[in-house]
Amino acid sequence: QITLKESGPTLVKPTQTLTLTCTFSGFSLSTTGVSVGWIRQPPGKALEWLALIYWDDDKRYSPSLKSRLTITKDTSKNQVVLTMTNMDPVDTGTYYCAHIRLERFWIVDYFHPWGQGIVVTVSS
Amino acid sequence: DIVMTQTPLSSPVTLGQPASISCRSSQSLVHSDGNTYLSWLQQRPGQPPRLLIYKISNRFSGVPDRFSGSGAGTDFTLKISRVEAEDVGVYYCVQGTQFPLTFGGGTKVEIK
Repeated sequence: QITLKESGPTLVKPTQTLTLTCTFSGFSLSTTGVSVGWIRQPPGKALEWLALIYWDDDKRYSPSLKSRLTITKDTSKNQVVLTMTNMDPVDTGTYYCAHIRLERFWIVDYFHPWGQGIVVTVSS
Repeated sequence: DIVMTQTPLSSPVTLGQPASISCRSSQSLVHSDGNTYLSWLQQRPGQPPRLLIYKISNRFSGVPDRFSGSGAGTDFTLKISRVEAEDVGVYYCVQGTQFPLTFGGGTKVEIK
């Protein structure tokens, strides 16, 4: 059974850097054909994909946020870390990590399962 | 970027009646490998999203058979044959064919 859980600060100040950790079980990111992604959701709004990391350490980012995002993995700890710099109140929302099922080792088939999410508020 | 447009924004439905949600992409979602990576998610109030359908019409394990997906190219539909109270929530389509991955704006299903 695959599970994921997000952790990190729930309140950050504008201009600060947010660091979120996704701790997972039931799979290994050292296994070929595995990926984990981050998605966020502003209050009352739609989902927005942020980034994903592949088992081979290849990474993909949302172009609109690429300059502010870094995704890394720690295979030994079964963790994926997302950092987002220069936080702004518009970045307030729930941040989710999810396991990604890949087709042919690199095509994103679907997100499943999702973590419970962590609510992050950006305010001074 | 591929823009995913969902309609309607809200769908009030009587219990036991059908519901239909449309998702239209700004470009074809057919991948060069021949597959179409369009999936549907359900998000119940206060819960994370849950996978319902993948590759247009494949129902995920444990998903009730009243949920079905159809479509091709740029036009896709999620149907609920008989809405139950537990189906209340927001439904999203998402494409994995091309980066950046993009979600539809969501359709809220509520009971009349």
